[in-house]
Amino acid sequence: AQTVTQSQPEMSVQEAETVTLSCTYDTSESDYYLFWYKQPPSRQMILVIRQEAYKQQNATENRFSVNFQKAAKSFSLKISDSQLGDAAMYFCAYRSRDTGNQFYFGTGTSLTVIP
Amino acid sequence: DAGITQSPRHKVTETGTPVTLRCHQTENHRYMYWYRQDPGHGLRLIHYSYGVKDTDKGEVSDGYSVSRSKTEDFLLTLESATSSQTSVYFCAISGYTANTGELFFGEGSRLTVL
Repeated sequence: AQTVTQSQPEMSVQEAETVTLSCTYDTSESDYYLFWYKQPPSRQMILVIRQEAYKQQNATENRFSVNFQKAAKSFSLKISDSQLGDAAMYFCAYRSRDTGNQFYFGTGTSLTVIP
Repeated sequence: DAGITQSPRHKVTETGTPVTLRCHQTENHRYMYWYRQDPGHGLRLIHYSYGVKDTDKGEVSDGYSVSRSKTEDFLLTLESATSSQTSVYFCAISGYTANTGELFFGEGSRLTVL
């Protein structure tokens, strides 16, 4: 089974600053999806950004971008111009494109945004 | 938003009693999943389904069973609840398309076993 590791249980950032959340994964597959999900206090899981492994270009969604290093099996999330509403738990997730039926999640990073 | 409804949203029960959580989707997606979320563990897969009557175990399936008699419904049953099953349970769905591939989540069900 694939493993996903988030080595930072907690992070904090000043409002308007930039923060990077780390994620590494272990796989022998060549084609897969990677995701970042956000879970605010409401508990709802919200997709932040998606990356397909065969695409070399890093995905971006407004203030959110990723640094995808396939050889290093690294998938970090950068949040620019941090806002109070970004405070949440963030989960990194992996999905095989071949089998397509299982997702693997990291243990999460709790992000605090300081006014 | 994906049409996923979980019920009940909150439940308190006693050790040894059976509990069934229901997940209902209106998206006609093939894959359905049950996860539990606990502090320090992230989301862990309990069971998943890849079609009607087609299910398989996840990494924490002991003490849980599932059934899927219709595309839209996926039931999670705790035959005899234990305090270690106190958790937040999430249902999720996924289509298998090249354009998306992501999971869509329900709002979660908080279960407390006393």
